Amino acid sequence: DAKTTQPTSMDCAEGRAANLPCNHSTISGNEYVYWYRQIHSQGPQYIIHGLKNNETNEMASLIITEDRKSSTLILPHATLRDTAVYYCIDPTYNTDKLIFGTGTRLQVFP
Amino acid sequence: NAGVMQNPRHLVRRRGQEARLRCSPMKGHSHVYWYRQLPEEGLKFMVYLQKENIIDESGMPKERFSAEFPKEGPSILRIQQVVRGDSAAYFCASSPPNGQGPGDTQYFGPGTRLTVL
Repeated sequence: DAKTTQPTSMDCAEGRAANLPCNHSTISGNEYVYWYRQIHSQGPQYIIHGLKNNETNEMASLIITEDRKSSTLILPHATLRDTAVYYCIDPTYNTDKLIFGTGTRLQVFP
Repeated sequence: NAGVMQNPRHLVRRRGQEARLRCSPMKGHSHVYWYRQLPEEGLKFMVYLQKENIIDESGMPKERFSAEFPKEGPSILRIQQVVRGDSAAYFCASSPPNGQGPGDTQYFGPGTRLTVL
């Protein structure tokens, strides 16, 4: 079973920031948090990952709480093409198995 | 640099036939993973392979399913005697040989949609 919990769905207006939360309260000290998304019927797309510090890349920012029990993915200026299911994943340490939960279905509207 | 390639993109089989799904990892990647997504469900890990070795097959059904990643050529997921319940999207992912730590980033292909009639 997935070790993360996320809201089932969220809406966001185009051009606004989308903030997607994730709880990973059982994460251990060496486990990274990964975010992927799946646009309808396509293969999952890697977005970003982090361990302790906040991270930013061309797609998004990742804010990790100091106790590492939760994180927030931020899409700073959401577009219609960001409509997708977003998965927060806590890979099992020392294996490369990604365990996908149900994710958050983000709907960006005009 | 081409991404992960999968073929065919769509595959139709009748019950009892064999299905062969192919995955070519990204250039320089030596780790391959297969995931299955049943209709209206999430992705489920099936198997993790490195060249000529199966590392983790804990998600593979015990019968009819097999996977290989030979020294040369693509990785193959083989389903023998397909049944209607095998209808799903099968995604392959790859990662580089020397990652930066646990849970190396995996890059996914576009998937193969298998339909069993």
